[in-house]
Order: sequence, then C-alpha cells, then structure tokens
Amino acid sequence: DAGITQSPRHKVTETGTPVTLRCHQTENHRYMYWYRQDPGHGLRLIHYSYGVKDTDKGEVSDGYSVSRSKTEDFLLTLESATSSQTSVYFCAISEGAGYNEQFFGPGTRLTVL
Amino acid sequence: KQEVTQIPAALSVPEGENLVLNCSFTDSAIYNLQWFRQDPGKGLTSLLLIQSSQREQTSGRLNASLDKSSGRSTLYIAASQPGDSATYLCAVTTNFGNEKLTFGTGTRLTIIP
Repeated sequence: DAGITQSPRHKVTETGTPVTLRCHQTENHRYMYWYRQDPGHGLRLIHYSYGVKDTDKGEVSDGYSVSRSKTEDFLLTLESATSSQTSVYFCAISEGAGYNEQFFGPGTRLTVL
Repeated sequence: KQEVTQIPAALSVPEGENLVLNCSFTDSAIYNLQWFRQDPGKGLTSLLLIQSSQREQTSGRLNASLDKSSGRSTLYIAASQPGDSATYLCAVTTNFGNEKLTFGTGTRLTIIP
C-alpha cells in the first residue's frame, strides 16, 4: 500500500470554526490531491498540488485553502466551517500529472454542526 | 465537461459467478481510466489503470477493457467471491485539465454466499 496517512481520521466541529486536515506521504510523489466524497456526487476534486508551494484549484474549491511547504505534507484548511462542508475528505498522491495512477489515503470524516 | 456514469448503482450475484461492471464517459479524449474498489468506511484501493492507448489490463481475476471511441469501459470479475463485495468506482483523466480524475458514482456489488 502507498504510504499515505490522514489526520485526524474523524472530527466534529461547529459552524464558523477553522479546521485543518493533514495529509502525509512517504512516497516522495510530486502530486497531491484533496477530494471530498458525498452521496450522489461521488468524489470531487477540491485542490491539488504539483510541487512544494505549487497549488491549484479543483472543481469545488470555494471555502477551502491549501498549503504545501514540504513534499510530504499537504494541508487542507476550512477557514470557517459550514454544514455544507460535512463530508468525507480523501487525500491522493501520484508520481506525475493526472495520467499517472493515483493512490488514496484512508479518509477523514468531518462533521460540521 | 466530462461526465462518468456507472450503471447499475447496485448489483447482487451468487458466489462463483462471473460478472461485468460498466462505466461510460462522455468525452473520449482521455489520458487514462482507473478502476477502484471502496469498502464501507474505507479509502479507495486502485485496481487497474488503463492508458488511452491500451485496450485492456488484467490483474488476477480482474480484467478491465477500454473502448475510447464509444466511451465505455468494463470491469470483468471472474469466479466471484464474498470478499469481492464492495463499491467499484471508475474514474477518467481527460486531456484537458489532466490534473484530476472525474469519478463515476460507483456500483455497489454484493456477492451472495
């Protein structure tokens, strides 16, 4: 299995509070991704990174920001959490761009009350 | 905009049978197609990756085919086992915006012992 960990694995928070999710990889892969998974929508890309300090938006980026200061870590921040951001969040990695195989972490279940 | 469809949403078959899962996509200009399985409450496990230049890929009892011109892929599972019960997702990487996967909503497979 690809070495990807996510923390925390579960989190309950209140509307309006900031939340940061962490993805850590041991594979030294260049690309990292954040997805959210919701019933009826499947997985959708939030943000991705193609190198240290290099990030770009996905299709559902509003309300989220990311940072990547080291190859192995990719952080997803909800500046002010809303109930619509209740979801399961997955981190993924790949060696190159989207034409390379992606490997997924175990996910973080976030509940915003 | 690329759209990926998986029909049926759920499928039950007796143990030992061979089965086929379907995936269709609207834009044939893809780099690759990837099949995943997801167990309840877990992350995604990559099963097979087919590059756009390939027709099929095999791994053990799994065989995935790709027909780019018709926008279809199938995942064939031979001699099904109860451990194959899971949700199967397909995802494509398109030529434009090739940094991300576009996912279908999955087929939930149940193998009846």
